[in-house]
Amino acid sequence: EAGVAQSPRYKIIEKRQSVAFWCNPISGHATLYWYQQILGQGPKLLIQFQNNGVVDDSQLPKDRFSAERLKGVDSTLKIQPAKLEDSAVYLCASSLGYTNEQFFGPGTRLTVL
Amino acid sequence: KNEVEQSPQNLTAQEGEFITINCSYSVGISALHWLQQHPGGGIVSLFMLSSGKKKHGRLIATINIQEKHSSLHITASHPRDSAVYICAVRVGGADGLTFGKGTHLIIQP
Repeated sequence: EAGVAQSPRYKIIEKRQSVAFWCNPISGHATLYWYQQILGQGPKLLIQFQNNGVVDDSQLPKDRFSAERLKGVDSTLKIQPAKLEDSAVYLCASSLGYTNEQFFGPGTRLTVL
Repeated sequence: KNEVEQSPQNLTAQEGEFITINCSYSVGISALHWLQQHPGGGIVSLFMLSSGKKKHGRLIATINIQEKHSSLHITASHPRDSAVYICAVRVGGADGLTFGKGTHLIIQP
């Protein structure tokens, strides 16, 4: 069974530029999560989708971050414009449902200069 | 908001030692997860539990709901167990996870 796919794996941009990350969850998984992990800290939930609807985006900085999950499968996370403090690993995870085990992708390491 | 505290933050031990990592949280939860993260690698789910004890190979996870505390034990530790171990909790059924900062474990040969 294929795991959660993410791209790109690494991205370096300058502050005020835009960047987008892509996630393809495990087939059949209804719930998709985007997490931000700053170096030395645990992941922080940014947004949670159930199919193509948003369940929780309370910690998403909506002035610069946006995310969508068209057709309830793939998802994209965008940052526009990026700030230095956005440097982090962005993790995508999926699960069959809210109460099921989450499977994580390899993450995208973003460096903002 | 649930606070998740892990201890110790860093742990270095010799191969073969019995390892214990602790996790405490501040409010009632519906489930607790233990996850493993290797340097430069992704995160792997080890256990998801809401009561009692679970065992998988050399790993054992326990939870005490009344005391709001969980432990992850590794028996006969091996250098390949070296990783960051992260505790995460879910309060309600549809809530996202709240993560601890992780415990950085190094097992020396």
